[in-house]
This record gives sequence, structure tokens and C-alpha cells, in this order.
Amino acid sequence: NAGVTQTPKFQVLKTGQSMTLQCAQDMNHEYMSWYRQDPGMGLRLIHYSVGAGITDQGEVPNGYNVSRSTTEDFPLRLLSAAPSQTSVYFCASTRDREPDTQYFGPGTRLTVL
Amino acid sequence: GDSVTQMEGPVTLSEEAFLTINCTYTATGYPSLFWYVQYPGEGLQLLLKATKADDKGSNKGFEATYRKETTSFHLEKGSVQVSDSAVYFCALSDWNTGNQFYFGTGTSLTVIP
Repeated sequence: NAGVTQTPKFQVLKTGQSMTLQCAQDMNHEYMSWYRQDPGMGLRLIHYSVGAGITDQGEVPNGYNVSRSTTEDFPLRLLSAAPSQTSVYFCASTRDREPDTQYFGPGTRLTVL
Repeated sequence: GDSVTQMEGPVTLSEEAFLTINCTYTATGYPSLFWYVQYPGEGLQLLLKATKADDKGSNKGFEATYRKETTSFHLEKGSVQVSDSAVYFCALSDWNTGNQFYFGTGTSLTVIP
């Protein structure tokens, strides 16, 4: 198993540009999440999904969209990038609804100029 | 709402010193508690977890006990090594709130030879 994969690893955008951060997992996990990590703030939940076709907002959803058309993929879209979205983004998946191990991807470091 | 508070760093210790990183939580239900570790340039990895009161999680010489009476989950290790240098995150998951994981802000540990 490759686990949770994320692409790209690094990205630089200009203000107003849009892009999609890719996340995929091959463990057949139902639950997937997107977090952003900022200095001194830990990880904050952006969006999450409890299964294909179902998504919901986390703590900081503004400026981001997600979709879950398959169990494997959970892309995160930045509609119009802003400097405040400069961060490290982590995707994670969880096996089922019970408290369990979250498997994290390696992260995408995004800079918005 | 649910939240996690952990001691601020950075923490610098000499090799073989005793480590304690404090973590307290607030939750409306009966959460599971976790410690995650992030090595430089990598995603988060589960270090240990405890799913109910008085449980002790342990791994790689680290341990933490779920204390419901003090709402705490302090991380300890009797003798740290240089390879333990990383950022440590305390987290909880409380499915009763319909949300996923809440993370603390992280504590950076540097162990010097």
C-alpha cells in the first residue's frame, strides 16, 4: 500500500489564481480530511468527508472547496488564492467512524504571493 | 466546544534526560486521546493513543495516561535520545460532536548530545 499520497509537494501561486491539491489513499478508508498547519496554531480542520458523495465543513472552510466522487480521492480546491492561505496542507484518512488511527500524507507546502 | 491545550515550546533537553510534555483537554463527550509526532519535513505519525479513562498508551519508550479527573494526557519518556527531536502534537477525537480530530498547537523538542 502507498498509504496517503499528496501532490504536489510544493506550489507557489499568485494572488487570485486557482488550483487543486490532490489527495489519494489506497486503504479503502471511508473518512478523509484536509488540515492546514500554521506556525503556533497546530492543525486546523478545513473539510472532511465521511464517504463518497458526502462532505462537510471543518473549522476553517472559507476559500476552499472539496468533493468526494470516489472512496480513494479527496481533492482540495482553492478558488481564488490569497496570501492568508500560505500554509502546509495535510490530507488524512481514517478507517471507520470509531476513534482510530489517522494516516497522514506527506503534506503540500503552498505559498501565495 | 472541544479543544486541546499543550505546553508551549520549544523544549531543549540533553540526551538521557526525562521528558514531560503537558496536555489538557476540554470535551463534551468521552473522547479518545492521541499523541502524534512530526519529524522534520514529514507528515504526522501516530505515537500512542488511549481510548478511555485510566488507559495508558505507550510506544517507543513514550507513555501517557488518560486522566479523566484532571482532563489530562501528559506525554513522558524516561530517557530521551537525539532521534526523538521532533514536534509533538496532542489530539482528541470526539465523535459525539460529529467532528473529527482536534489538535494542540504542537511542542517542538530538541535533544542535544
